[in-house]
Amino acid sequence: KQEVTQIPAALSVPEGENLVLNCSFTDSAIYNLQWFRQDPGKGLTSLLLIQSSQREQTSGRLNASLDKSSGRSTLYIAASQPGDSATYLCAVPKDSGYALNFGKGTSLLVTP
Amino acid sequence: GAGVSQTPSNKVTEKGKYVELRCDPISGHTALYWYRQSLGQGPEFLIYFQGTGAADDSGLPNDRFFAVRPEGSVSTLKIQRTERGDSAVYLCASTLSGALAGELFFGEGSRLTVL
Repeated sequence: KQEVTQIPAALSVPEGENLVLNCSFTDSAIYNLQWFRQDPGKGLTSLLLIQSSQREQTSGRLNASLDKSSGRSTLYIAASQPGDSATYLCAVPKDSGYALNFGKGTSLLVTP
Repeated sequence: GAGVSQTPSNKVTEKGKYVELRCDPISGHTALYWYRQSLGQGPEFLIYFQGTGAADDSGLPNDRFFAVRPEGSVSTLKIQRTERGDSAVYLCASTLSGALAGELFFGEGSRLTVL
């Protein structure tokens, strides 16, 4: 059974710092991995989708990497801003491929 | 519509009552998912529709939960004889790509509180 773990559970950094969020998964036979952002009381917004053939994806200040063999992905946020404060979740497809298994998320607070 | 729309945004009900939650996906998206999210947890898969049919309902916790999508667009999640443990945010998502899990677009959720 695919299990997804995110470390740390919570993180507080001052504005301007670069930071890394970690995601690990138990079954390396995945064909993609997604990172989402969730603001309090809101739904999830897809940030980056990495296909299994890719090693990384970039969008603005965000960079996500994928190492299937070790079952790990990282989300790198450059020059963090208070508006980046949210919960970040990673997800990989379930065995059937139809739906996603999510981690519990990392709650990020960027202080001015 | 422009995004995935879910109604109601909040629902408070008493234990034992029947509840319906509605999801209106992005126009043209054939795949629709229901997830449930408890406080401090990631979303938990409930059911997946491809068109009108439930392609995977393995996440439904028991037979009190049922979902339909009769015309391949709007979906309704139905919960019978609600229990306090059903309290959670119910999220709906849709995607254009179909069978393989592609980029999902989520609604803002329906927060269910069972007293």
